[in-house]
Amino acid sequence: DAEITQSPRHKITETGRQVTLACHQTWNHNNMFWYRQDLGHGLRLIHYSYGVQDTNKGEVSDGYSVSRSNTEDLPLTLESAASSQTSVYFCASSERGGTEAFFGQGTRLTVV
Amino acid sequence: AQSVAQPEDQVNVAEGNPLTVKCTYSVSGNPYLFWYVQYPNRGLQFLLKYITGDNLVKGSYGFEAEFNKSQTSFHLKKPSALVSDSALYFCAVRDIRGGGNKLTFGTGTQLKVEL
Repeated sequence: DAEITQSPRHKITETGRQVTLACHQTWNHNNMFWYRQDLGHGLRLIHYSYGVQDTNKGEVSDGYSVSRSNTEDLPLTLESAASSQTSVYFCASSERGGTEAFFGQGTRLTVV
Repeated sequence: AQSVAQPEDQVNVAEGNPLTVKCTYSVSGNPYLFWYVQYPNRGLQFLLKYITGDNLVKGSYGFEAEFNKSQTSFHLKKPSALVSDSALYFCAVRDIRGGGNKLTFGTGTQLKVEL
């Protein structure tokens, strides 16, 4: 079955380190998204991509970057991790022109 | 800009009673509207969507939602709640005209169904 997987599921890192969270989908979806989930804020969009070599900033993109070198993967990089980036991160994908998005299981990141 | 409001942080319901989880939205054009459910330590699961047509939309697990354009609302409902419905529910909107394929989520409503 097609799916979307995130790795790692849990990560603890130190302030100032670079961290990359992986997202891989096998639906061949063109659209991919990264959200962070924080209490009281719901899910907020970090970055998104509508296809290979396409990346766009979301509402909370500062301190994050993404790259899209193929259809299946959209890794999220924290250039220099900060305590404010402690959160649960979700990757999602949807078809081109599609409606609902499908979510991964999430990555819980703790920055100490 | 598109936005979603879920005015209740938590809703408590007795098992067997009807439940309603409220959602209002704001978009500049016509909306696509969605409900997702999140169980502990899991990702979001799609429940139902409104695109066009009948204002009452039926989804998974016996849930339904009513689109009301004049009140800009999309409340989630279920006639008879189950303890297993206890979870975090998110409403989301996509602005067909101005928002591309991005979904904007509300802050979530924790549903607690008790015996």
